Amino acid sequence: QVHLQQSGSGLVKPSQTLSLTCTVSGDSISSGGYYWSWMRQHPGKGLEWIGYIYYSGSAFYNPSLKSRVTISIDTSENHFSLNLTSLTAADTGMYYCARGDGFSFWFDPWGQGTLVTVSS
Amino acid sequence: QSVLTQPPSVSAAPGQMVTISCSGSSSNIGNNYVSWYQHLPGTAPKLLIYDNYERPSGIPNRFSGSKSGTSATLDILGLQTEDEGLYYCASRDSSLNHGVFGGGTKLTVL
Repeated sequence: QVHLQQSGSGLVKPSQTLSLTCTVSGDSISSGGYYWSWMRQHPGKGLEWIGYIYYSGSAFYNPSLKSRVTISIDTSENHFSLNLTSLTAADTGMYYCARGDGFSFWFDPWGQGTLVTVSS
Repeated sequence: QSVLTQPPSVSAAPGQMVTISCSGSSSNIGNNYVSWYQHLPGTAPKLLIYDNYERPSGIPNRFSGSKSGTSATLDILGLQTEDEGLYYCASRDSSLNHGVFGGGTKLTVL
């Protein structure tokens, strides 16, 4: 059974960088076939796709975040990471990682979620 | 304002059926696959339907999806109290060149 476990700090100061990692068990990132993804949910709002990365390192981002986001992958550690720079209060919310299908755009399973609060 | 439009809320009694709609356009639902997610309080979202109507293993057959033109529908039969939560549709948008989610529908089982 595939399991995604998120780690990283949930409290970040304005203008700083958010760094989250998603460690995969039960599947090998380097086996290909899936896009390793990040989504977020602002308080009281719907889900937003942040971006995803293929095992080769090719990454695709939501244009609204592209200038501030980097998704990276470490096949030796079987994990992938999210960096989001220049944080503001508008970046506060729940962040999720997930395994995805790049063509059909479905995501399964998801990580447990990380509550990110941007506050001084 | 989400690219995919869902009703904010739906409700029905236990044992009844409920339908959740997801309306889009030719750049997303009309020419791409739709997936549906269940998001219960305190849990991570769970995939219910992918590729318009396919169910992942372990998802009960009382959950079904369909698509017609630029709209998609999630039907839930035999409602149970544990079905209460948020439901999202999602699709790729070819014009935006990225994936989009609906705004979510809150299901209340009366």
